[in-house]
Amino acid sequence: KQEVTQIPAALSVPEGENLVLNCSFTDSAIYNLQWFRQDPGKGLTSLLLIQSSQREQTSGRLNASLDKSSGRSTLYIAASQPGDSATYLCAVRNDYKLSFGAGTTVTVRA
Amino acid sequence: DAGVTQSPTHLIKTRGQHVTLRCSPISGHKSVSWYQQVLGQGPQFIFQYYEKEERGRGNFPDRFSARQFPNYSSELNVNALLLGDSALYLCASTIQGARTQETQYFGPGTRLLVL
Repeated sequence: KQEVTQIPAALSVPEGENLVLNCSFTDSAIYNLQWFRQDPGKGLTSLLLIQSSQREQTSGRLNASLDKSSGRSTLYIAASQPGDSATYLCAVRNDYKLSFGAGTTVTVRA
Repeated sequence: DAGVTQSPTHLIKTRGQHVTLRCSPISGHKSVSWYQQVLGQGPQFIFQYYEKEERGRGNFPDRFSARQFPNYSSELNVNALLLGDSALYLCASTIQGARTQETQYFGPGTRLLVL
């Protein structure tokens, strides 16, 4: 059974600081890993998708790395802004389903 | 193009009642998945449907059922509601079903409260 863990559970930083969010998973036989953003009471917005054959993916201020052999992924958010405040979830795809971590709740202080 | 849509947005039910949640996938997408997200936790997989057939089921009791229609929209049904069924129910769609490297696109969810 795939287990996904996200550390830390919560993070508070001043505006402008870089964010580092960690995700680990137990079964390395994945198709891909996806990072999502979730605002309070809302659905999930896909941020980045890393295929199992890739090492990293970038979009604007966001960069995600994947080390499949060690079961780890890291999401970097450069120069954080108050609008980045949200919960960030990582999810790994095995066959037909996504397995999610519990998320890291980020607060960026102005 | 419209994204994944879900209805209703909010719902209040009492224990023992039945509920039906609806999802319309992105145009051209043939696969729909359902997830349950309890407050403070990550979403948990319930079902995947592809081309109107169930392709996967998570660890949920038989009170949970679903179906997919010829237009690829889907319904999630929950019978004999329990307080613990209170959650955000999320629908996701992809073009294909299993063994795909596609991005899953999620709808805004239906917030169910069971009293």
